[in-house]
Amino acid sequence: ETGVTQSPTHLIKTRGQQVTLRCSSQSGHNTVSWYQQALGQGPQFIFQYYREEENGRGNFPPRFSGLQFPNYSSELNVNALELDDSALYLCASSPITGSPEAFFGQGTRLTVV
Amino acid sequence: QQQVKQSPQSLIVQKGGISIINCAYENTAFDYFPWYQQFPGKGPALLIAIRPDVSEKKEGRFTISFNKSAKQFSLHIMDSQPGDSATYFCAASKLSSARQLTFGSGTQLTVLP
Repeated sequence: ETGVTQSPTHLIKTRGQQVTLRCSSQSGHNTVSWYQQALGQGPQFIFQYYREEENGRGNFPPRFSGLQFPNYSSELNVNALELDDSALYLCASSPITGSPEAFFGQGTRLTVV
Repeated sequence: QQQVKQSPQSLIVQKGGISIINCAYENTAFDYFPWYQQFPGKGPALLIAIRPDVSEKKEGRFTISFNKSAKQFSLHIMDSQPGDSATYFCAASKLSSARQLTFGSGTQLTVLP
């Protein structure tokens, strides 16, 4: 088990609503990345935060946004939810040492109805 | 555009057998290749990773073979056990942005007792 924790574990939202997902990174980790994993697919990179700033973004629209806080925890916000946003959202943290390793949390299962 | 292609989609192996999963990548800038293991309801867990300066890396029963000229890499699981039954993902990234992983589509491995 990694020290990366995500909340909530499950969430049901209605199309058009907004959602906030949270991630607490592992102690000693200062980089947080978010991924979307659709059912039966590999995770897709959404964006990464380093020192409270976005530091890389995948092919996701602006309604996907995030924050990183001074304690290195992070939030993923999704506005105007669409049915296709239903997925497992994964947070991964990486160490201050600069190691390339990414350690994932258990994810938040979002269902949009 | 799928930059990492993974095969097979599913694999059934007898206990004690060798499981082999293959991946091919397109982006020659990739220089970090990790493999992840994911159990149902859990986030991906890093198994083993390789950089292109070596052709093989072994950790316990898990071995990565890497062919830079063919832009292919594979995971070999020796003496496969029922507890290895999970979904395996290959991934690739540039070390300069190592936490921005591009994942394959996954292989569901079942090891029969």
